[in-house]
Amino acid sequence: DAGVTQSPTHLIKTRGQQVTLRCSPKSGHDTVSWYQQALGQGPQFIFQYYEEEERQRGNFPDRFSGHQFPNYSSELNVNALLLGDSALYLCASSSPERQENSPLHFGNGTRLTVT
Amino acid sequence: QKEVEQNSGPLSVPEGAIASLNCTYSDRGSQSFFWYRQYSGKSPELIMSIYSNGDKEDGRFTAQLNKASQYVSLLIRDSQPSDSATYLCALRPTRGYQKVTFGTGTKLQVIP
Repeated sequence: DAGVTQSPTHLIKTRGQQVTLRCSPKSGHDTVSWYQQALGQGPQFIFQYYEEEERQRGNFPDRFSGHQFPNYSSELNVNALLLGDSALYLCASSSPERQENSPLHFGNGTRLTVT
Repeated sequence: QKEVEQNSGPLSVPEGAIASLNCTYSDRGSQSFFWYRQYSGKSPELIMSIYSNGDKEDGRFTAQLNKASQYVSLLIRDSQPSDSATYLCALRPTRGYQKVTFGTGTKLQVIP
């Protein structure tokens, strides 16, 4: 049973560029959440996708956008990259059953470095 | 007040001792609580979930929840050097679908 998969694992971009990160949820999961984790900090919620729609969003600018596909996979796009966007980007999926108690299952993350 | 507060540590314990990790939260209506372990450079890994007041044990790990006092803790018995990691406390607030909020984590060092 495949877990959450993310690609790429590492990425180096220049300020002002755009980046797309990809995520496939765990089998049987339909909800995908994206988090940003800066060094020494806890994961910060970016947004969550369910039924191909952004259901909830954290305190991130519009430069951060996403998409969910019919197969539940998801993309995170960041435009006009800033040095401060350098972080570990985590994708997490969760089960549709008993959603209020369903824990998040994380992928291995994408390490983004902006120079 | 932060939604989830943890002491950043590091918390140092000798091998074989009990490590006690604590977390407080501000939303009294929070229902679901989680402990994740994160090794340096890796992604968070779920250790325990707890939803009701009291203790929940799983192997060497015990999660404790006290909703009246708004704290949740994690005890690690017989600590091993391989337990050295950052432990993240997380919760799902009352309002808002499945958004899970994380603390900043407590770094645990188990000294051989």
